[in-house]
Amino acid sequence: KNQVEQSPQSLIILEGKNCTLQCNYTVSPFSNLRWYKQDTGRGPVSLTIMTFSENTKSNGRYTATLDADTKQSSLHITASQLSDSASYICVVPDYGGATNKLIFGTGTLLAVQP
Amino acid sequence: GAGVSQSPSNKVTEKGKDVELRCDPISGHTALYWYRQSLGQGLEFLIYFQGNSAPDKSGLPSDRFSAERTGGSVSTLTIQRTQQEDSAVYLCASSLAPSGRSTDTQYFGPGTRLTVL
Repeated sequence: KNQVEQSPQSLIILEGKNCTLQCNYTVSPFSNLRWYKQDTGRGPVSLTIMTFSENTKSNGRYTATLDADTKQSSLHITASQLSDSASYICVVPDYGGATNKLIFGTGTLLAVQP
Repeated sequence: GAGVSQSPSNKVTEKGKDVELRCDPISGHTALYWYRQSLGQGLEFLIYFQGNSAPDKSGLPSDRFSAERTGGSVSTLTIQRTQQEDSAVYLCASSLAPSGRSTDTQYFGPGTRLTVL
């Protein structure tokens, strides 16, 4: 069964500190991997989309890495801000079927405290 | 439009009643998706529309759930005879092209929070 698992489930850090969120997936065949940020009460917003050939991709203070061999991805947040408090969701398309479903991880809930 | 919009933002209903949830996708987006997000769970795919093709209904949890997309734009998700387990946030997303086989971004609406008493 194609799955996406994330860790940790939740994380609390102090403002200004860095953190790294993990994503493991078993989806095959693999097309791309996405990281979304979901603020409380809002819909998810795309942060990055990484294809098979990309190892690292940055979007401001967010840097995503991808190891397609081990089927792992990470999202590193540098110099965290209070506004980074949100749920971060790892998403991989279910490319193998006739549909175009995205498989969502359960997310890492990040709380940045002053 | 500026983004994907959904209405209502909140809906409280009694068990057994029917509800309709509306989604207005971004203009020009051919792909439209409905997801359900239960507390502490990842987003669960419900249904997918792509242009004039037959929708992919493989994620609908029961025959009480149905969805339409009129004129390739607005979509309505209908839940008949609601049950308490239907309580969740229902999210709609749209993209220019099918998001699985491309890297087109899905843009999500704010969701409708459904509470079934």
